[in-house]
Amino acid sequence: KQEVTQIPAALSVPEGENLVLNCSFTDSAIYNLQWFRQDPGKGLTSLLLIQSSQREQTSGRLNASLDKSSGRSTLYIAASQPGDSATYLCAVSTTNDYKLSFGAGTTVTVRA
Amino acid sequence: GAGVSQTPSNKVTEKGKYVELRCDPISGHTALYWYRQSLGQGPEFLIYFQGTGAADDSGLPNDRFFAVRPEGSVSTLKIQRTERGDSAVYLCASSLYNLIQDTQYFGPGTRLTVL
Repeated sequence: KQEVTQIPAALSVPEGENLVLNCSFTDSAIYNLQWFRQDPGKGLTSLLLIQSSQREQTSGRLNASLDKSSGRSTLYIAASQPGDSATYLCAVSTTNDYKLSFGAGTTVTVRA
Repeated sequence: GAGVSQTPSNKVTEKGKYVELRCDPISGHTALYWYRQSLGQGPEFLIYFQGTGAADDSGLPNDRFFAVRPEGSVSTLKIQRTERGDSAVYLCASSLYNLIQDTQYFGPGTRLTVL
């Protein structure tokens, strides 16, 4: 069974600092990996999707890397802003119906 | 355009009652997923539909849980004889097809509380 771990569970940084969020997974035979953002009481918003053949994806201030062989992904958020405060979830799919296995998330607070 | 919608947003029920949770996916999306999220945890997979058929129901915890998608669009998750342990946020997601590059788009969820 795929196990997804996110460390740290919580992170607090001053505005302007770069954020580094880590995700590890036990089964490296994945199809894709997605990073999501969740605001309190809200659903999930997809940030980036990396296919298994890709090494990274970028969108604006966000960059996600994937190292399948070591079972790791890292989400970088440059020049953090208070609006980046949220919980960030990592999820992987290991079956061809692409159902997702999620980590418990990293809750980020960006202090103004 | 319209995203994934779920109704009701909140549902409070008593132990032993029956509940139905509704999901309206993005128009034209053929794949639909249900997940359940307990407090402080990531979502856990329940069931996946491709079109009208339940292609993977391996995440349903027991036979009190059932889901349908009769016309390949709206889906309903049904829970019989609810238990306090069923309290959670139930999330629905849809994607365009069932391809490796397809992003799953999530609805806001239904918060179920069983008293």
